[in-house]
Amino acid sequence: AQSVAQPEDQVNVAEGNPLTVKCTYSVSGNPYLFWYVQYPNRGLQFLLKYITGDNLVKGSYGFEAEFNKSQTSFHLKKPSALVSDSALYFCAVRGYTGGGNKLTFGTGTQLKVEL
Amino acid sequence: DTAVSQTPKYLVTQMGNDKSIKCEQNLGHDTMYWYKQDSKKFLKIMFSYNNKELIINETVPNRFSPKSPDKAHLNLHINSLELGDSAVYFCASSEAGTGGPETQYFGPGTRLTVL
Repeated sequence: AQSVAQPEDQVNVAEGNPLTVKCTYSVSGNPYLFWYVQYPNRGLQFLLKYITGDNLVKGSYGFEAEFNKSQTSFHLKKPSALVSDSALYFCAVRGYTGGGNKLTFGTGTQLKVEL
Repeated sequence: DTAVSQTPKYLVTQMGNDKSIKCEQNLGHDTMYWYKQDSKKFLKIMFSYNNKELIINETVPNRFSPKSPDKAHLNLHINSLELGDSAVYFCASSEAGTGGPETQYFGPGTRLTVL
């Protein structure tokens, strides 16, 4: 079975500071990993995904994520946070084989960027 | 030119009623999904259809019945609504691919409230 853990319910950061939203995963075989963002009363928007290759993945809105196989982590990062980045962030994993394109989501991390 | 659209956006109904939520995508994707997001923002897949064929069917009460009249539409019909069905339901779509990590694109959600 595949699973995702987002250990922090909420992350607070000052505007202009770097941000990190943590994600660890468990899956059989090689993982496919995703980050999505959800703004209030909106659907999920795709930010980035890891398939294979370079461990540092760059995505939308200046976000990037680092895949670490030994730590089974895929943390989301941004060098300089904006107030408009405040939203709910979801990490998701899909196993390499079988089960269709079934994504398993983490419980979400609320990011709050303050002035 | 909305990519994935859902109707209605809000649905308030009484226990025991039957209701439907409609989803349409204009991305030319072959695969569509239904997700349920509960009050704690936990997101879980319910169903997935690939070109009108059911490929993912999670442990969902049989009161929930998806129907795909064509590959651009995936509707969700719910019979005998219960209080616990109150949630936000998201439709998503992706390319079918060949088992790779196709990105899923989400609709804006339908907030169902059962009284």
